Amino acid sequence: NAGVTQTPKFRVLKTGQSMTLLCAQDMNHEYMYWYRQDPGMGLRLIHYSVGEGTTAKGEVPDGYNVSRLKKQNFLLGLESAAPSQTSVYFCASSYSLGQGDDEQYFGPGTRLTVT
Amino acid sequence: AQTVTQSQPEMSVQEAETVTLSCTYDTSESNYYLFWYKQPPSRQMILVIRQEAYKQQNATENRFSVNFQKAAKSFSLKISDSQLGDTAMYFCAFMKHESGNNRKLIWGLGTSLAVNP
Repeated sequence: NAGVTQTPKFRVLKTGQSMTLLCAQDMNHEYMYWYRQDPGMGLRLIHYSVGEGTTAKGEVPDGYNVSRLKKQNFLLGLESAAPSQTSVYFCASSYSLGQGDDEQYFGPGTRLTVT
Repeated sequence: AQTVTQSQPEMSVQEAETVTLSCTYDTSESNYYLFWYKQPPSRQMILVIRQEAYKQQNATENRFSVNFQKAAKSFSLKISDSQLGDTAMYFCAFMKHESGNNRKLIWGLGTSLAVNP
């Protein structure tokens, strides 16, 4: 049971390049989330998904797209990277069968630098 | 809108002593959930403790306990017998009790805790 994994762990992009971050979970969780973490800003929700085939915008969705074609995978895409997207990106998942007290399980993070 | 405030950006404590991290939140909801997450230097986010608002009893997990004051909208974390491995960033988070698909956490900005030998 690997939990939540993220690929890649580190990446450097040039402005304008595109890339996709992959998140995978093997816990059969319904909910998945993408956050970015910046110094002094805490965690900010980019997009989330409440089930296979569904996605929704979070606090800071601009410049990102997501897809949830399979229940276990949640992809975050940057179509044209900008220096403002330099950040550490975290994926999380939760089961959410209950009333909302479900723990979010986090991946190890991806450090992305856009030059 | 719900907000979560952690008023202590940085704190330090001596090993084996007790430290309390503060968290306040603003909501008009009557039932909700509160969480403390820990992020050590490894960056891995780990759930420390959770509290459901309608439960009056304060949650406890080994050396970690909370002081939940619903009327004051306060949710502080107490770490007893601090250990070097407790050095981390600690985040307080809030989630509304809501049916349907709105399961988003609202996060504080974090408190950086250093445990000194």
